[in-house]
Amino acid sequence: QQQVKQSPQSLIVQKGGIPIINCAYENTAFDYFPWYQQFPGKGPALLIAIRPDVSEKKEGRFTISFNKSAKQFSLHIMDSQPGDSATYFCAARILRRGSTLGRLYFGRGTQLTVWP
Amino acid sequence: SAVISQKPSRDICQRGTSLTIQCQVDSQVTMMFWYRQQPGQSLTLIATANQGSEATYESGFVIDKFPISRPNLTFSTLTVSNMSPEDSSIYLCSVEEGTGARGYTFGSGTRLTVV
Repeated sequence: QQQVKQSPQSLIVQKGGIPIINCAYENTAFDYFPWYQQFPGKGPALLIAIRPDVSEKKEGRFTISFNKSAKQFSLHIMDSQPGDSATYFCAARILRRGSTLGRLYFGRGTQLTVWP
Repeated sequence: SAVISQKPSRDICQRGTSLTIQCQVDSQVTMMFWYRQQPGQSLTLIATANQGSEATYESGFVIDKFPISRPNLTFSTLTVSNMSPEDSSIYLCSVEEGTGARGYTFGSGTRLTVV
């Protein structure tokens, strides 16, 4: 059972466009929602993250929108560039019982291509 | 963020053999994670390794196949045992640095091909 559902699987936009990647979850125990960017041959790198008590977070050209009641969150990339072409993963963290440490569940990933 | 060095970066192995992957972190961390990422797929957690205790394995992964060591707070190894072509994948080490700006950091991965 996929704990975090991500769509679309792939996305193609023109340079300057605003790709939007969506994720949904069911488990209300998730307390932290990061987005990762992965280039071929590299490990995932943290892009931006949000906690469920915040509805939006912006860092540079990247924005997370979070809808707690709908259990959905999305990544928007403003003024997208060819260098943004990568695979993007959403994730959600759950704390281990009786611990302040947790584990991540990942979405299936979105392959983004930005054409020049 | 923590800097993770993972070795080897890639390897081609014969079926039936074993490969040990090393993960070295430049700071002390409580939890280290091992993931598998098959080509074009998402990340699947294999196990969580705490220093001084047995690793905790996720459903579908067993210690006999993926033994893990965690001798100190900066180092861990994952062994892929008795390999078959189905084990061909990218194996990633990760550490938890909280939920602030640093979050969870990943190594660059080990690309394993079993022939």
